[in-house]
Amino acid sequence: GESVGLHLPTLSVQEGDNSIINCAYSNSASDYFIWYKQESGKGPQFIIDIRSNMDKRQGQRVTVLLNKTVKHLSLQIAATQPGDSAVYFCAENSDGSQGNLIFGKGTKLSVKP
Amino acid sequence: DGGITQSPKYLFRKEGQNVTLSCEQNLNHDAMYWYRQDPGQGLRLIYYSQIVNDFQKGDIAEGYSVSREKKESFPLTVTSAQKNPTAFYLCASSMSAGGRYEQYFGPGTRLTVT
Repeated sequence: GESVGLHLPTLSVQEGDNSIINCAYSNSASDYFIWYKQESGKGPQFIIDIRSNMDKRQGQRVTVLLNKTVKHLSLQIAATQPGDSAVYFCAENSDGSQGNLIFGKGTKLSVKP
Repeated sequence: DGGITQSPKYLFRKEGQNVTLSCEQNLNHDAMYWYRQDPGQGLRLIYYSQIVNDFQKGDIAEGYSVSREKKESFPLTVTSAQKNPTAFYLCASSMSAGGRYEQYFGPGTRLTVT
């Protein structure tokens, strides 16, 4: 079946460096993608979203890139801070399913001071 | 202060007992969702509701039940038929269903059944 997956389950970066978290999706019909941040023991928080008519969107210190040709989504965090340490999920809307969001398993980002 | 609230944060029950998890939102959202999260796993959809008095099964509905009598409230009952109920439960809401809108999540309820 169609699913959302991640290339790397864990990522460790030095404070101040840029982080890149990747996500592969398999359903070409997906037209909406979201990145969430989840801190330990808390609910996921929205970071940024992107629709399929765009290939790049920027927020505060974050950028999401969408490559529909290779079905790849990435989240870039600039000047990574200790407070960025968390699990990051990508989610896609798949028209092939019930139309709800499908979540990946997440990548754990650890920031070393 | 708008958002989604879930209560309690921690819940302990004995095996064989039904337990109801609360979820309330004041965002005026039409759609609400319940997810289950196990360690190292992604979110799995249990039930969702697109509108009051209507709800649909998600991917793992067996052993769970819900109701949507009010727009603001979407309680989840974990029944004794759920074989492995210990998990972190997350409630979410969105402006509309269909997965084209951001879902806002509550803080979660950690249920432990012994």
